[in-house]
Amino acid sequence: KAGVTQTPRYLIKTRGQQVTLSCSPISGHRSVSWYQQTPGQGLQFLFEYFSETQRNKGNFPGRFSGRQFSNSRSEMNVSTLELGDSALYLCASSFGGGSPSTDTQYFGPGTRLTVL
Amino acid sequence: AQSVAQPEDQVNVAEGNPLTVKCTYSVSGNPYLFWYVQYPNRGLQFLLKYITGDNLVKGSYGFEAEFNKSQTSFHLKKPSALVSDSALYFCAVRDLISSGSARQLTFGSGTQLTVLP
Repeated sequence: KAGVTQTPRYLIKTRGQQVTLSCSPISGHRSVSWYQQTPGQGLQFLFEYFSETQRNKGNFPGRFSGRQFSNSRSEMNVSTLELGDSALYLCASSFGGGSPSTDTQYFGPGTRLTVL
Repeated sequence: AQSVAQPEDQVNVAEGNPLTVKCTYSVSGNPYLFWYVQYPNRGLQFLLKYITGDNLVKGSYGFEAEFNKSQTSFHLKKPSALVSDSALYFCAVRDLISSGSARQLTFGSGTQLTVLP
């Protein structure tokens, strides 16, 4: 079974631009979560989508947004990029339904975003 | 609020020796605990999880973790370390009271494990 895929793997943008990252979950998984990883702040939760609805959101400004499509693929968008947005953005998928206690998240390889 | 702490930024161990990577947690309800490993320029790879039941959880690649409720700990262990185990290890928790049906994980700061040949 194919794992979680993320595209692109690397991105270089300049301040003020916007960017869209894509995530394809494991087949059959309906929940997609996004995390930001930086050396200073570590791994921080951005948001989770399940059945095309945002189920939970972390403490990030409104410049960070996402969506999920009917095939469970997800995109996240960052507008008006700042230098501090440089990070590894990780996507994770899980079944999303049933018992949350047993639902394991599986991560993709990440998208490395560099903002100049 | 839920949280996890990894008190050691760096752990060094000789190949063939046992290794331990420490994790303590704080949750308001029953904890659901996970260990992930990250190799350079890669995403996180799931190792094992504790939901309920036996306090000793066995996972991938010979790793295991011991859940201790009284000490609120969930330490990762391996009887004999390999050089290829060198990586960044993360402990994570999900607390159903805080998270509800959401799948949000709260991660520790990570521990860099180096296995010396």
